Amino acid sequence: GEEVAQTPKHLVRGEGQKAKLYCAPIKGHSYVFWYQQVLKNEFKFLISFQNENVFDETGMPKERFSAKCLPNSPCSLEIQATKLEDSAVYFCASSQPQEWDYNEQFFGPGTRLTVL
Amino acid sequence: AQSVTQLGSHVSVSEGALVLLRCNYSSSVPPYLFWYVQYPNQGLQLLLKYTSAATLVKGINGFEAEFKKSETSFHLTKPSAHMSDAAEYFCAVSRSGSSNTGKLIFGQGTTLQVKP
Repeated sequence: GEEVAQTPKHLVRGEGQKAKLYCAPIKGHSYVFWYQQVLKNEFKFLISFQNENVFDETGMPKERFSAKCLPNSPCSLEIQATKLEDSAVYFCASSQPQEWDYNEQFFGPGTRLTVL
Repeated sequence: AQSVTQLGSHVSVSEGALVLLRCNYSSSVPPYLFWYVQYPNQGLQLLLKYTSAATLVKGINGFEAEFKKSETSFHLTKPSAHMSDAAEYFCAVSRSGSSNTGKLIFGQGTTLQVKP
């Protein structure tokens, strides 16, 4: 597609439950980035992929968070045993191979995760 | 390490007045710099970017920014504010060259209010 698609728009989980978020990058884009936005600001980089390979995972919490980008499937970000502090909007962005060096990232509308 | 500081979490201007949003960065390597806009409940939209070409960068919607290495600044300006400019603005930095992994480091954001 021509836009980054993220599903679901909203996700509510009880503390300790699993949450799984999905991202379909723009067709032809081989780089995918995940960011976490807490409290309307404070964007935090989580992880990036080059096709199905992890490119940079320096922002991923060591525990509970995992992500995948498999061929012919949307990318996913999974949080095991959610905590209250995981409540945030999670944004996915994608980039073309020739543009990634200039960080021409196109952002999706985000998934709002609320942990109760 | 890289970082971005946006001076002023909230800026209010009258319609037709000059918009000035401040951004200072810290980077040990030549940076790439970006300004993004976020409208309510939406993802980020790229306004403009500096990638080591011209220091005065023009973007969409009449915005421009000037890269000043001596001041480590990348302030965003627009000569005449429009009501539709009311939004959240984020300055971001990334590395250039071989150390670039694509991840963006964001400032805290500045809310722009435009009064009629």
